[in-house]
Amino acid sequence: AQKVTQAQTEISVVEKEDVTLDCVYETRDTTYYLFWYKQPPSGELVFLIRRNSFDEQNEISGRYSWNFQKSTSSFNFTITASQVVDSAVYFCALSLRSEKLVFGKGTKLTVNP
Amino acid sequence: DAGITQSPRHKVTETGTPVTLRCHQTENHRYMYWYRQDPGHGLRLIHYSYGVKDTDKGEVSDGYSVSRSKTEDFLLTLESATSSQTSVYFCAISQMNTEAFFGQGTRLTVV
Repeated sequence: AQKVTQAQTEISVVEKEDVTLDCVYETRDTTYYLFWYKQPPSGELVFLIRRNSFDEQNEISGRYSWNFQKSTSSFNFTITASQVVDSAVYFCALSLRSEKLVFGKGTKLTVNP
Repeated sequence: DAGITQSPRHKVTETGTPVTLRCHQTENHRYMYWYRQDPGHGLRLIHYSYGVKDTDKGEVSDGYSVSRSKTEDFLLTLESATSSQTSVYFCAISQMNTEAFFGQGTRLTVV
């Protein structure tokens, strides 16, 4: 069975701090996909990134970066120089080959001015 | 933004009544899903569809049924609503091996 663990339930930082959101996944399959979604206070779910299991290259998009390590089954998300607008619940998710995203329980990030 | 619409967006219903939530897409995506979101649980899969009339259960399917008679529509039915089904329901769509796009959500309250 597949499982995603986001051990950090809530994180609070001050603006401009860097913050890392942890994600650990479990699967026996060798082909899988990992995702991060953002849910701002308005409630919609916004797709951030997708990674397949054969691509361990780290990704950077502006202030966002993702570190995928198969050796530790982790797919961590770092926000550099956090801003108040980054305040949201962030979900990590896993799927096998296609369909059926399995989500972690989410990490609520609060960025204080 | 992906063309995906959920209706209604908000609903209050009484215990024991049937409720149907609708998800409509204009993207011609093969896969459609219904999730529920509850505090402390994240998003949990209720049912999903991999084609017209092809559906399967997710991890929290008890008390729910679905139907997909057209590619663009995926209906979620609560046959007899209970208070434990008070939740926010999200529909999502995807293609093979791609990210899922989510609707705006439906807030359902069962009183």
